[in-house]
Amino acid sequence: AQSVTQLDSHVSVSEGTPVLLRCNYSSSYSPSLFWYVQHPNKGLQLLLKYTSAATLVKGINGFEAEFKKSETSFHLTKPSAHMSDAAEYFCVVRGGGADGLTFGKGTHLIIQP
Amino acid sequence: SAVISQKPSRDICQRGTSLTIQCQVDSQVTMMFWYRQQPGQSLTLIATANQGSEATYESGFVIDKFPISRPNLTFSTLTVSNMSPEDSSIYLCSAEEDGTAGANVLTFGAGSRLTVL
Repeated sequence: AQSVTQLDSHVSVSEGTPVLLRCNYSSSYSPSLFWYVQHPNKGLQLLLKYTSAATLVKGINGFEAEFKKSETSFHLTKPSAHMSDAAEYFCVVRGGGADGLTFGKGTHLIIQP
Repeated sequence: SAVISQKPSRDICQRGTSLTIQCQVDSQVTMMFWYRQQPGQSLTLIATANQGSEATYESGFVIDKFPISRPNLTFSTLTVSNMSPEDSSIYLCSAEEDGTAGANVLTFGAGSRLTVL
């Protein structure tokens, strides 16, 4: 079995300040982990993925995430927020075996001018 | 990466009617999936669309309510049958890309936003 917990339903930051979106997971297998972004009225876009290579993963638009097995975490960060980053962000886990994808409940990122 | 086109992008439907959503991928893919995103919620997998055989449904979803077709490796349809207001959601098609570079990654369509009155 697997699960994913996004610790914040809403995060609000000022433009130009760092972004931290938190995600914890559980999985019976060595997981693959993903972050997707969903802008209003748009589909989901892959930001980055971890699949057992480097633990620090760089994605698009300046985002990165670090896989920490000891903490079962995969937090998403960005050094400097931009207004266009305002969107819904989903952390996703995929274990091995017959497990498909499990989506977190999402974190709504608000960027204050 | 693969490009997925869905239509309709949105529709307003009457209670008791059915609507079919189409999903077209611009390349052949082995795995296609249908998800539902209820208002303010995360994504829930409805079923895996299997080419040439019946779809595999997740717990809580049945073929009579959500019949799925997958006639080839680039196309699938999802029908929402006998709709009620509770079916108002965004329905998303996704595909898993083949090959090492895209392995294990799902690409999503823009979604079909259904409102049932």
